[in-house]
Parts: sequence; structure tokens; C-alpha cells
Amino acid sequence: DTAVSQTPKYLVTQMGNDKSIKCEQNLGHDTMYWYKQDSKKFLKIMFSYNNKELIINETVPNRFSPKSPDKAHLNLHINSLELGDSAVYFCASSQGILQETQYFGPGTRLLVL
Amino acid sequence: AQSVTQLDSQVPVFEEAPVELRCNYSSSVSVYLFWYVQYPNQGLQLLLKYLSGSTLVKGINGFEAEFNKSQTSFHLRKPSVHISDTAEYFCAAIIQGAQKLVFGQGTRLTINP
Repeated sequence: DTAVSQTPKYLVTQMGNDKSIKCEQNLGHDTMYWYKQDSKKFLKIMFSYNNKELIINETVPNRFSPKSPDKAHLNLHINSLELGDSAVYFCASSQGILQETQYFGPGTRLLVL
Repeated sequence: AQSVTQLDSQVPVFEEAPVELRCNYSSSVSVYLFWYVQYPNQGLQLLLKYLSGSTLVKGINGFEAEFNKSQTSFHLRKPSVHISDTAEYFCAAIIQGAQKLVFGQGTRLTINP
């Protein structure tokens, strides 16, 4: 059973397009996250939702819009994709925040051409 | 601003040799510390974490880390590495009062036969 799953695994698209990445967790966790990992492997948090409420919104362009239809899902929609958006996007979940262990999905590799 | 520094971007070692991956954090307040491992083309997986109590923390796969408050360090160690330990290792911290996990730059551990 996959604990945190993401679709698609790979995404290749043209500049200017709009795309979505989906994330689902079956761990019963109440907090979900989106992270961006750049080409140098640096990981940075983008968003965090707790019980479907946005609790962390880092300095991310507003072309990125997260949506949490329920506690088990956190999707990421990206408008007007740019070359610099190319990265690996990881979804994660935890029960609560702070010291709780975060469980990561396998990642979505986005390439913008 | 809080930060996590991993002093080595790459660490090559021979199989069955000991290894230490260094991590320092900048904070004078309470902190929660984590080590995550990322195997090639996978998401992150928790190795171990320090929340409070004993400063020596044991994790999975034979890894351990020691919290040193005076040196603001949380170095990861393994007495004898295997080929399967080849991966990217990330130190991370949650500073009390913040609600996000901040990652270091990562250390690529390469095991040579």
C-alpha cells in the first residue's frame, strides 16, 4: 500500500501551459505539504495545510495554487508555467505539525521546455 | 534567521568504513532535529529524529546521531557502511515557534567497493 502517492510521476510541458499535480495520503494524517527540490537537490517548503486549512504559504508566486478538497488530498495547480518551475515537487504528510515525522511521496519531476 | 548547514556536499567512503555526515544549525532556542535519506529517484524517508531527552539518537539501518547543544550540531554516524547506503542525506530542523521544516543542502554519500 502506498502511503503518500503523487500523480503524475513525470510531467513535461511547454512554457505558458497550466498543469496540476495530485497528491493523496492514506495514513489518516491531518497535515499535508508541498516541497520543491531544485536541480541542486535543495528542498524548500511551499505550502502546508492542516485539516484543509492553509497554515504555511512561503514566498511562492501566486501562479502556484494549492487546493485541499479533503484531509487526504492536496493538489497543486500551476498557471503559466515558466522555465524556472522545472524541479521535483514532493508531497508529504504528517499527523500534526512540529515534531511529527513527515512521510514523503515519490515526487513529480516537472520539466518546462 | 534559522538555518541548517551541512558542511559536506559529497562524502565518498569505502564499504565497511565508518562515516560521519556533519550538520550544524543556527539557533539559541529549543529545536527539533531530523535526518532524512533520499535514495535515487525516490522520496525522503526519516532516518531518526531528536525531540528531547537522550542526546544520542538511534535510527534505522544502523545510523545514529548525537545532539550537541553547545556546538549546535547534530552529526550523523554509522560505524560500517554498505553499498546500499549510497544516497542523499538531509539534515532538517524545526525551530520552536516556527511551523516548518527547514532542510540543509544535503550530503551525497557514495560508497565505493
